[in-house]
Parts: sequence; C-alpha cells; structure tokens
Amino acid sequence: GIQVEQSPPDLILQEGANSTLRCNFSDSVNNLQWFHQNPWGQLINLFYIPSGTKQNGRLSATTVATERYSLLYISSSQTTDSGVYFCALLSGTYKYIFGTGTRLKVLA
Amino acid sequence: GAVVSQHPSRVICKSGTSVKIECRSLDFQATTMFWYRQFPKQSLMLMATSNEGSKATYEQGVEKDKFLINHASLTLSTLTVTSAHPEDSSFYICSASGGASNEKLFFGSGTQLSVL
Repeated sequence: GIQVEQSPPDLILQEGANSTLRCNFSDSVNNLQWFHQNPWGQLINLFYIPSGTKQNGRLSATTVATERYSLLYISSSQTTDSGVYFCALLSGTYKYIFGTGTRLKVLA
Repeated sequence: GAVVSQHPSRVICKSGTSVKIECRSLDFQATTMFWYRQFPKQSLMLMATSNEGSKATYEQGVEKDKFLINHASLTLSTLTVTSAHPEDSSFYICSASGGASNEKLFFGSGTQLSVL
C-alpha cells in the first residue's frame, strides 16, 4: 500500500521561529489534507491541498503531486501551535492514509 | 466547517464488557464514515470504512467480530468493542466525509477507552 512519511518526527522551536514540515508519499494520490492534533486529541483541518499552494494566516502549504511531496510552513510560531501535525492522503481505494506525524513543541 | 460529534469522550470498563461509541455528523449527511485507532505517540491507523446501509469494510488485521460497526443512517455510525480486553485500550476517532466537501475529512473529538 501507499507509504506516507513525515519529517522531522520531532521538532522543538522557540516562540517566533519559522518551520517547515514535510510529507513524502510513495504513490499518486487523489487528495491530501493537513491536520493539527491538539494535546487533547482533537484533529483540526488545516488545509485541503491536492496540489498547488494555499495560505491561511501564519500557515501555508504546498503540494507538488508530480514529485510526491507536500510541505507545511509555520511562520512566527506560537505556543498554541504545539501538538502533532499529520498529513493524510486519499488513496485510489478511497481511504485516507495518515502519515507518521511531526510532533511540535513551541517554547515560550 | 462540518461538525462531527463523538461520544463518549472517555470510558473506563471492566474486561469482558462491551462498549459502544457513537459518531454523528451534525450539519451534513455523511456518505462515508471512517474509524481510526491511535496508540500513544503513534499515528492514526484506519480500522474500517463504513457506508450508510451497507456492511463496513475492515482493514487487514482488524477483527470484524470484535469491532462491530453500524452505519444505519447518513448521520450516525457506531463502533462497538465487544468483550473488551486491556489490549483494546486506545484512543478511537471517527471521521466523516460528505456534504458539500465530499472528499474532505472531518473528525470527531475521539474516545479514550481504558479497559481494566
């Protein structure tokens, strides 16, 4: 099946710093979403981005489907950005497969 | 955005009992619902996919007789963990797709199951 790897697995930032999270996938996909899982377990949609670039405030995402990767940019990080970031891909069998996740901790 | 309600948020039960978890789409009709399981510090693992009115499709390695899924309506899916054992303790999360954003996933808040 499709493999989805995220990097880095863990990231510690000082408040105000910028970061780039990467999602690599092994096969062509129909759709891709980025999620933030907060410390209480709730998953929040960040971007629905099968291709191209989108921005929402301090966050932006880019997916290059032909090269099988997606990037999530976090600028001017805040402590509330802490949590786990997942990319999830909609495979050809209409299943969303989750990546390995990046655990982010932003220090005040 | 679409709202998915999941409850209970936390349940503690004795070994051998059954536990039912409900997942409701509140403001859209969910053509497909997905059930995931997450162990501490790990990613979400898809357990099964359910479509309204039909049998769920289980992922390899997931016991369908242990994890009963019912998707009786376009707004409700239930997961019943039968004869729960301590190794079933985990965080269970449902998600739904449908409505205007048919391929986007929206998640419930999850259920932490602890089996004593």
